[in-house]
Amino acid sequence: QVQLVQSGAEVKKPGASVKVSCKASGYTFTSYGISWVRQAPGQGLEWMGWISAYNGNTNYAQKLQGRVTMTTDTSTSTAYMELRSLRSDDTAVYYCASDYDSSGYYRYWGQGTLVTVSS
Amino acid sequence: EIVMTQSPATLSVSPGERATLSCRASQSVSSNLAWYQQKPGQAPRLLIYGASTRATGIPARFSGSGSGTEFTLTISSLQSEDFAVYYCQQYNNWPQLTFGGGTKVEIK
Repeated sequence: QVQLVQSGAEVKKPGASVKVSCKASGYTFTSYGISWVRQAPGQGLEWMGWISAYNGNTNYAQKLQGRVTMTTDTSTSTAYMELRSLRSDDTAVYYCASDYDSSGYYRYWGQGTLVTVSS
Repeated sequence: EIVMTQSPATLSVSPGERATLSCRASQSVSSNLAWYQQKPGQAPRLLIYGASTRATGIPARFSGSGSGTEFTLTISSLQSEDFAVYYCQQYNNWPQLTFGGGTKVEIK
C-alpha cells in the first residue's frame, strides 16, 4: 500500500533553516511527483510547490521563491523540502502528497510535520 | 494565480440534514476541481475529483457538481463523522495548485 512517512517535529529560531523529509513506499517513486502543502495553526491549506521525482523539475509558489528548495533522493525514495530564513509565520504543519494514481489532486498524504519557529 | 473562494466560512447543520458548500474560482478551471475533508490533527482526505467523481471509498451521500468557475459539494444527510472542514482545490494550472479557504461544517 502507498505510504508517505514524514520526519518528526522541529523547533527552529527565526532566521534558521529547516529540512523536512517524506519517505515514499508502495509505488514506483520516480514515476510521479510530490507536492508540499502547509497549514498554519487554525488556518487553511497552502500549496508550496511540486517536484518531479522523475527528473527533479520543480515548480514553487511565487511567495516562497528564493526561500524554498525541494529535492529528491531516488535511491531512498525520499523527497525533501528545505525552507530558509524562517519567520514566525512559517510556523505550520507541513504535508507532502504524492501524484501517484492522480494528476493534480491527492489521494495520498504524509502524516504532517509540525515546524515551530520561535525565539 | 487562480483564487478559490469558499462560502460560507462556517455552516451549522443538524445531523440528518443536507449541507451545501460552494466554491468559486477567479477564472475558469474547467472540471479540474477537487474537494477534501479534514478533521483536527489529520491530513486532508480526498472526497471528489474532476468536480463530480467520488474517490474510492467515499460514501454516496457526498456529491460534487459544477464546472468553469462555480462548484458545489453536497452532503445529502449529515452523519456525525461528517462534521469537519472542507476545502476545494483547483488543478487546472497543475503543477500550480490553489486551495480555497475552507468551510467548517459544525453541529447545529
